Amino acid sequence: NAGVTQTPKFQVLKTGQSMTLQCAQDMNHNSMYWYRQDPGMGLRLIYYSASEGTTDKGEVPDGYNVSRLKKQNFLLGLESAAPSQTSVYFCASSPGPSTTQYFGPGTRLTVL
Amino acid sequence: KQEVTQIPAALSVPEGENLVLNCSFTDSAIYNLQWFRQDPGKGLTSLLLIQSSQREQTSGRLNASLDKSSGRSTLYIAASQPGDSATYLCAVRKGGSEKLVFGKGTKLTVNP
Repeated sequence: NAGVTQTPKFQVLKTGQSMTLQCAQDMNHNSMYWYRQDPGMGLRLIYYSASEGTTDKGEVPDGYNVSRLKKQNFLLGLESAAPSQTSVYFCASSPGPSTTQYFGPGTRLTVL
Repeated sequence: KQEVTQIPAALSVPEGENLVLNCSFTDSAIYNLQWFRQDPGKGLTSLLLIQSSQREQTSGRLNASLDKSSGRSTLYIAASQPGDSATYLCAVRKGGSEKLVFGKGTKLTVNP
């Protein structure tokens, strides 16, 4: 049981480049989340998905897009990366709303 | 707007000491509160989840209490060990919302 996995672990982008962060969970959880963690700011919710095929904005969605085509996968896209998107990105999943969230190991993204 | 504060930001104690970490929140209309542990360079691990109707939860040497009316939660760690060294985060969820609002954490160091 791998839990929540994220790829890649590290990524360096140039301003304006695009990329997709991948998240997978093998716990058959309904809900999935994307957070970013910045020094002095704590963790902030970017997007979440309550079920396959549905997504909703969190606290800081600007500059990101997401897709949840399969129950076990939640993808976070950056269409045109900016230095302000340099951060550590965490994916999480939970059995349903308002239950314990299980986090992946994170992706450290640097935008130059 | 819900704000979560954790004091102190850092704490250093000798091994074997009992200690208390504090979490306060500004809006008492919460659905539940979660305590997490984060090791350097790693994701978050859920420690305890307290529903708004509960007063406390226990797991091993950890005990978390919740006083919703005063907007406070404490995490009590008994007989601390060097392996307890990590950053401890609390997060609150409002009813009907998927959004977790995190504090900035308390960095705990337990010295052998």
